[in-house]
Amino acid sequence: GAGVSQSPSNKVTEKGKDVELRCDPISGHTALYWYRQSLGQGLEFLIYFQGNSAPDKSGLPSDRFSAERTGGSVSTLTIQRTQQEDSAVYLCASSFGGGGKETQYFGPGTRLLVL
Amino acid sequence: GNSVTQMEGPVTLSEEAFLTINCTYTATGYPSLFWYVQYPGEGLQLLLKATKADDKGSNKGFEATYRKETTSFHLEKGSVQVSDSAVYFCALSEQNQGGKLIFGQGTELSVKP
Repeated sequence: GAGVSQSPSNKVTEKGKDVELRCDPISGHTALYWYRQSLGQGLEFLIYFQGNSAPDKSGLPSDRFSAERTGGSVSTLTIQRTQQEDSAVYLCASSFGGGGKETQYFGPGTRLLVL
Repeated sequence: GNSVTQMEGPVTLSEEAFLTINCTYTATGYPSLFWYVQYPGEGLQLLLKATKADDKGSNKGFEATYRKETTSFHLEKGSVQVSDSAVYFCALSEQNQGGKLIFGQGTELSVKP
């Protein structure tokens, strides 16, 4: 079946612009996660959605970052007023449930470059 | 807070050599432990996992045993192949934290023919 998909695959933007990154999770998966992979910081958790519960935003690095998940499916990560340090690969993952034992399935990522 | 520490890479081995990648963790509760792998040009995928102490995860000839007494989850393979060249990430998640993954820094493995 279809895996997690993300778009765009690559995004180049100028410092100060806003960007939106999209994630389509695996159908039927109730949990959705965003992570960031960068050379300096490795793989970092950003935000987590589980069903209709309030999202866990504890990993968002600043208030320029926000995310939403509409209809319990597609999610959008928005970065406002991008900075060069935001350059990274943004990964989305989904799992059948939100428990700690579940396997997370990752998308191919969106590579963001802020000039 | 919770954390994962992996041995630093890169690790370079000859084909058919024995592989060990060390991973230790710090956690407040009873985490599940994972090894994820990222092959060149591909996305992150689960290699194996263990959800309770003394469990052994295994896949594709790789094994790792959840050792609570030493807070470790070392990855091993008896005979590596060139196709095992990749970056390996150890990770943990806790049930009461929604399953978010805490990753180690990753270990790059290069296997030469």
